[in-house]
Amino acid sequence: DAKTTQPTSMDCAEGRAANLPCNHSTISGNEYVYWYRQIHSQGPQYIIHGLKNNETNEMASLIITEDRKSSTLILPHATLRDTAVYYCIVRVADANTGNQFYFGTGTSLTVIP
Amino acid sequence: DAGVTQSPTHLIKTRGQQVTLRCSPKSGHDTVSWYQQALGQGPQFIFQYYEEEERQRGNFPDRFSGHQFPNYSSELNVNALLLGDSALYLCASSLWRRSNQPQHFGDGTRLSIL
Repeated sequence: DAKTTQPTSMDCAEGRAANLPCNHSTISGNEYVYWYRQIHSQGPQYIIHGLKNNETNEMASLIITEDRKSSTLILPHATLRDTAVYYCIVRVADANTGNQFYFGTGTSLTVIP
Repeated sequence: DAGVTQSPTHLIKTRGQQVTLRCSPKSGHDTVSWYQQALGQGPQFIFQYYEEEERQRGNFPDRFSGHQFPNYSSELNVNALLLGDSALYLCASSLWRRSNQPQHFGDGTRLSIL
C-alpha cells in the first residue's frame, strides 16, 4: 500500500522552479525515497532517489528533511515537457522482503506557458 | 543500450479469453516486475520474477500468472478475461543484487476487453 501523501495537482509557470512536496511520515530508517514521473501513454520514468542526504542529478534535486518525514522534488527550470504525473514512493531496498514499488495517485503537474 | 521493451503495444480481447503479454528487460537486468495501471490510477504491483521463479506477488487472483525465461525475458498471462482487466500493463526490470537501484519501466501494453 502507498505510504506517501502528495497534492493531487499543481501548476507551475514555464521557466520557474517546480517544487513538488511529498509526505512520508511513517518512513522507516531503511526505506529509500524514489521519484518517478509518467507522461501520458508512456511508462513511468525514473527521476531520482535518496535515503537521507539531498541528491541532485541532471533532471532534478531531491531535498529530504532531517527527520525524513517529508521530501521535495525540485525541477529547477520547468518546461512544457515536464507536464506529467509525478509519483513519490518509499520502499525498503531489500530483495529478500520484496523490492516492488507501491504507487499512489501522484501529483499532476501542469507547466503553464 | 536497449531499454525495457514490451509487446504488443495494444491488444483487444473479449471477455473469457486468455492473453499473453511479453517483456524484454533492460540489458544487464535479471529481475522483472509486472504492474497493472487502470485509467486515472497509479500502477499496482502484480508480481516479480527472478531466477525464473515468482518471488513476490501483489493482491491479484490466480488468473494472473507469469513466467521468466533463462534469458530474463518474461511473460504475463491472464485467463478468463473480465471487463475490469482493461488497463495498461507495465513491465519493469532491475538488478536483484542492487535492490536500492531504481526499476526501469517499459511503455506498456494497452489491453482493452470488449
